[in-house]
Amino acid sequence: AQSVTQLDSQVPVFEEAPVELRCNYSSSVSVYLFWYVQYPNQGLQLLLKYLSGSTLVKGINGFEAEFNKSQTSFHLRKPSVHISDTAEYFCAAITNLKGSNYKLTFGKGTLLTVNP
Amino acid sequence: DSGVTQTPKHLITATGQRVTLRCSPRSGDLSVYWYQQSLDQGLQFLIHYYNGEERAKGNILERFSAQQFPDLHSELNLSSLELGDSALYFCASSGGPPSYNEQFFGPGTRLTVL
Repeated sequence: AQSVTQLDSQVPVFEEAPVELRCNYSSSVSVYLFWYVQYPNQGLQLLLKYLSGSTLVKGINGFEAEFNKSQTSFHLRKPSVHISDTAEYFCAAITNLKGSNYKLTFGKGTLLTVNP
Repeated sequence: DSGVTQTPKHLITATGQRVTLRCSPRSGDLSVYWYQQSLDQGLQFLIHYYNGEERAKGNILERFSAQQFPDLHSELNLSSLELGDSALYFCASSGGPPSYNEQFFGPGTRLTVL
């Protein structure tokens, strides 16, 4: 079964420092990969997605992620974080690419806390 | 604002009761997905409807059911509620099959079972 693993449940960083949130997926077939952000008491917002093509994907708010097929990873990075980036981040995958149910399988989430 | 609306925002009820959560998709979207977010299980897919028909079920309990109406809004019915059903329930809408379309999430309904 498809699974998505986020290796860190919490990541504290200082403002303006770089950050990497790690995500690994298990799939032997083609996969679509996503990062979502959830701010406190809000819904999920798509940060970026990888469907095909270039393995380096740029998203909103200065985030980017790199799809690495050999390592089955899709780590999220930002070179300099702001206080406002404090939120929970979810990695997700879709593997049923030939079917009609594009359900998302989520990781457990990583709480990013940016300290002044 | 994703364009997906969910009502109510909060719901507090007692064990054994039945509740209905409502989701209105973005204009023109034919697919509605329901997800449950709980502290112990994380975010899990429950069920997918496309243009009024059930397309797939995930980890949805038999006490839970859903439907999608001709106007494309969807309802998730939770019955014989237990304490463990307390969670945040999201719906997401998309353009639907045959190809992938981005899912847009609503703000969620927070259910508290006392």
